[in-house]
Amino acid sequence: DTGVSQDPRHKITKRGQNVTFRCDPISEHNRLYWYRQTLGQGPEFLTYFQNEAQLEKSRLLSDRFSAERPKGSFSTLEIQRTEQGDSAMYLCASSRQNYEQYFGPGTRLTVT
Amino acid sequence: QQQVKQSPQSLIVQKGGISIINCAYENTAFDYFPWYQQFPGKGPALLIAIRPDVSEKKEGRFTISFNKSAKQFSLHIMDSQPGDSATYFCAASRVKAAGNKLTFGGGTRVLVKP
Repeated sequence: DTGVSQDPRHKITKRGQNVTFRCDPISEHNRLYWYRQTLGQGPEFLTYFQNEAQLEKSRLLSDRFSAERPKGSFSTLEIQRTEQGDSAMYLCASSRQNYEQYFGPGTRLTVT
Repeated sequence: QQQVKQSPQSLIVQKGGISIINCAYENTAFDYFPWYQQFPGKGPALLIAIRPDVSEKKEGRFTISFNKSAKQFSLHIMDSQPGDSATYFCAASRVKAAGNKLTFGGGTRVLVKP
């Protein structure tokens, strides 16, 4: 499978705990994007990387959120001190520069 | 600020019929308009996309119509099949100036009845 992969697919955590998600993009893609999708809504942009550089962060990305893409390969998204409002599907997408974005299957986060 | 408005929220169509979903955008700097299909529990899958230098693009049973002056674009699904039952999202972006980050519409849930 050469598509975008995400791990884990599902995560249930208690409020206040930290969680980390991983995204592996399509291998030749230099752009990697994170989006968040709540139930019944369209995805919302969180942040994106070009190679290892994080070029933009949305206002949705509070101080509790941090994303990295070491060596321009896989990326991680960490949420510290989770809140119930963080419950959502976290989607990763990758692309070659300004070309089409291909999404992974997402990580469904439930904060209890 | 909802920059891309999508309608209807849901629609039911008979097998073999035409599904039509409309989107309107506000930012005239948008220059890339893709449509995504999403099944429950899955990530969005790119269906078809258009740039504003053309008014229509067709790929198989899927057609995008684009009206730059009205700032509107639509997706037509011809000969709808039960397997097309999914949620469809339009999106828009500025390819070069803003990293091509996508702004999505609210989605349309399509149900194709056999």
